[in-house]
This record gives sequence, C-alpha cells and structure tokens, in this order.
Amino acid sequence: AQSVTQLDSQVPVFEEAPVELRCNYSSSVSVYLFWYVQYPNQGLQLLLKYLSGSTLVKGINGFEAEFNKSQTSFHLRKPSVHISDTAEYFCAVSESGTASKLTFGTGTRLQVTL
Amino acid sequence: GAGVSQSPRYKVAKRGQDVALRCDPISGHVSLFWYQQALGQGPEFLTYFQNEAQLDKSGLPSDRFFAERPEGSVSTLKIQRTQQEDSAVYLCASSFSFGTTYNEQFFGPGTRLTVL
Repeated sequence: AQSVTQLDSQVPVFEEAPVELRCNYSSSVSVYLFWYVQYPNQGLQLLLKYLSGSTLVKGINGFEAEFNKSQTSFHLRKPSVHISDTAEYFCAVSESGTASKLTFGTGTRLQVTL
Repeated sequence: GAGVSQSPRYKVAKRGQDVALRCDPISGHVSLFWYQQALGQGPEFLTYFQNEAQLDKSGLPSDRFFAERPEGSVSTLKIQRTQQEDSAVYLCASSFSFGTTYNEQFFGPGTRLTVL
C-alpha cells in the first residue's frame, strides 16, 4: 500500500515570487509520482509525472518537480507564480508497472495575491 | 475530441434516497476509475474497470455502493439508501490501456452529491 503526505494545507504567496509545495510518500514497492492541479468546479489536470529516468521533471505552466528517493519526496516548484496559478494541488502515487489506481494526498491550496 | 463527461454535475438527495451517477469515458479508453473526494480532502479510489470487468472494488465504502460498466464504455455508480457521509464529489477517470506501461488517467469534472 502507498500513502502520500502533503503537510502544507495552504500556501500563500505573492505574484512573481517562487513557490515550493511539499510532498512525501511511503511505499513498499516502486511507484510512479504525479502532481495534479484542480481549479474550482473542474476536474483534475495532470501537471507532471515521474515514471523513471531523470529525477528532475518538467511539466506544464512552468512547474517542475524533483524525485528524491532517499528522502521519499517529490516537491513541486515554480520560480515565479502568477495569479492564475491559484488552485488546489494534489500529489499522487501509483504502483509502477501497472495501470493502477492513484493514491492522493490531502492537497495544498496555493493562493497567489498581488 | 471530447473528454470524460459526467452527469449530473450536481445532485441533491434526501437521506435514504437512491442515486445513480453516470460517467462517459473518452472513446476507446479501456480502463475506467471512480474516486470519491470529500470536502477538503484528496480523491480516494473506489473501483476500477477494465472494459466491462470490475477488477478492483476494494475502495467501495459499503455494500450500498455499486458500480457497473456493462458494455465496456459508459459506467454508472449507484448509491443506495444515501447517508449524509456520502456527500462528496465523485470523480471518474479513464485511460487508454492497461498492463505494464503507464497510461495517463483523464478526469471528468465530477458529480457533486449533497445528501440532506
């Protein structure tokens, strides 16, 4: 079984400032790692994913994340945020090598203000 | 092409009522997942179909929850005798294939169920 921890329920940040959203996971098997974004009244949209290979992955909208196996972390970063980045962000894992279910964290609300 | 669609988008039910939530996956997608997202929480897995076969229903919270996908396309999640704790957003996701390679899950907008 896998679990995901997102310690920060809310992250306020000013526009054009950098941001990091933290994610730690636990699993007894190899996993794929994901970040999803959810805008109000919309479904989840995949931001980026780590399947294998390079530990630094780049996604849409200027986001990137780094897989750290020793620290079991997959933190999401953006060097300069925009108002439009205000949304809920979910970290998720699934067992690698299968088309398997996703296990999500509880989410981090990113609030960008002027 | 069209994405995953769900209907209704909003459903209000009185406690004890039965409800049926529909998911139309992306055409040709073999795998279909249902998730439940309670207020302020992340989505939680309910059940998984590969074509018409329900291969995993380990996340269904009680025997009041039932899902089907009889023709391997549209899926219905049915909740009998709804309770207030069933209030949540129900998300459906589909992916092209299954097996040992990764296939992205595409999510629908969800159905928000409120049980009074």
